[in-house]
Amino acid sequence: EVQLVQSGAEVKKPGESLKISCKGSGYSFSSYWIGWVRQMPGKGLEWMGIIYPGDSDTRYSPSFEGQVTISADKSINTAYLQWSSLKASDTAMYYCARHLYSPSQLHPSGTYNWFDPWGQGTLVTVSS
Amino acid sequence: DIQMTQSPSSLSASVGDRVTITCRASQSISNYLNWYQQKPGKAPKLLIYAGSSLQSGVPSRFSGSGSGTDFTLTISSLQPEDFATYSCQQSYSTPWTFGQGTKVEIK
Repeated sequence: EVQLVQSGAEVKKPGESLKISCKGSGYSFSSYWIGWVRQMPGKGLEWMGIIYPGDSDTRYSPSFEGQVTISADKSINTAYLQWSSLKASDTAMYYCARHLYSPSQLHPSGTYNWFDPWGQGTLVTVSS
Repeated sequence: DIQMTQSPSSLSASVGDRVTITCRASQSISNYLNWYQQKPGKAPKLLIYAGSSLQSGVPSRFSGSGSGTDFTLTISSLQPEDFATYSCQQSYSTPWTFGQGTKVEIK
């Protein structure tokens, strides 16, 4: 069974650093991109970025570039999301998800992209 | 960024009802559209990818349609386990963006 298991909930103060993890099992972790998605309280989902654990190639959403760092350690099948200085506005649930893709049936150069499965989520609370 | 707008934001329906949720993109995205289901306190679950392809293991009462800017998720006969929030996501261009979600509640 393909599974992503995330680290537990965190409570931090503004200005503190944090690194949360996402461990994959049941598939070749190095061969699939992993994405991170934020869900602020009562809000929709926001794509943050993706990483290819095989070579650590990383792509960020412009909204999150410079705000977080995505990394991976393929030797232990784990991806990470980290902050150097948390803000209260970073309070949210964070999900990792395996990124899948396939060639478009309609456009020769197009690629369908989707996320499956998802980790259980890590709740990050930042409060003074 | 491509904006995804879902309607309605919430709806009340009964078991057995046919339910339709709409997702509109701010520009044409062909059929680069996915649908996810999220139950309270749980992670999202993929239902439909590439506009209309049913993910393995997802019941056939779920279906997706549409192309261009307008898309629909249909539940042909609502079951008790289908009460959840449904979100669309475009994968036409990065940053990939999601709709705000449609909450399906029990009438």
